[in-house]
Amino acid sequence: KAGVTQTPRYLIKTRGQQVTLSCSPISGHRSVSWYQQTPGQGLQFLFEYFSETQRNKGNFPGRFSGRQFSNSRSEMNVSTLELGDSALYLCASSLAAGRTDTQYFGPGTRLTVL
Amino acid sequence: AQSVTQLGSHVSVSEGALVLLRCNYSSSVPPYLFWYVQYPNQGLQLLLKYTTGATLVKGINGFEAEFKKSETSFHLTKPSAHMSDAAEYFCAVRNAGGTSYGKLTFGQGTILTVHP
Repeated sequence: KAGVTQTPRYLIKTRGQQVTLSCSPISGHRSVSWYQQTPGQGLQFLFEYFSETQRNKGNFPGRFSGRQFSNSRSEMNVSTLELGDSALYLCASSLAAGRTDTQYFGPGTRLTVL
Repeated sequence: AQSVTQLGSHVSVSEGALVLLRCNYSSSVPPYLFWYVQYPNQGLQLLLKYTTGATLVKGINGFEAEFKKSETSFHLTKPSAHMSDAAEYFCAVRNAGGTSYGKLTFGQGTILTVHP
């Protein structure tokens, strides 16, 4: 079974631009979560989607948004990019959204903001 | 709020030596605990998890971890380090409820270096 895929793997943008990242979960998985990883802040939770509904949201500004489609694929969007948005963005999928459901991570999208 | 503390941002061992990576958690409810490994330029790979039942959990690549409620710890061990174990390791706790139900809260990570 194919793992979690994320596209693109690398992205370079300039301040003020917007960006959309894509995540395709493992087949059959209905929950998708997004995390931001930076050297200074570590791994931080962005949001979680289950059956096209946002269930949880982390402590990020409104410039960060996401959505999930009926086929469970998810996208996250960052508008008005800032230098501090440079990070590795990781997507994780799980069968459902319960406590015991293991989250499987994709390889990430490396975003660089110049 | 739940939190995770990994003691030691860098751990260095010799090949064949014991690996011990420390993790302490804070949780107001019985925790669900995880260890993930991250190799350079890759995502996170699950090593093992504790949900309920046996407190000694065995994972992939010879790693194991023991849940000790009295010490609020979930340390990761491997009897004999291999060069391929060099990576960054993350301990995480799964939220039990409230507005952030289901999300993973990660520690800051421990970089493991293995010397020949």
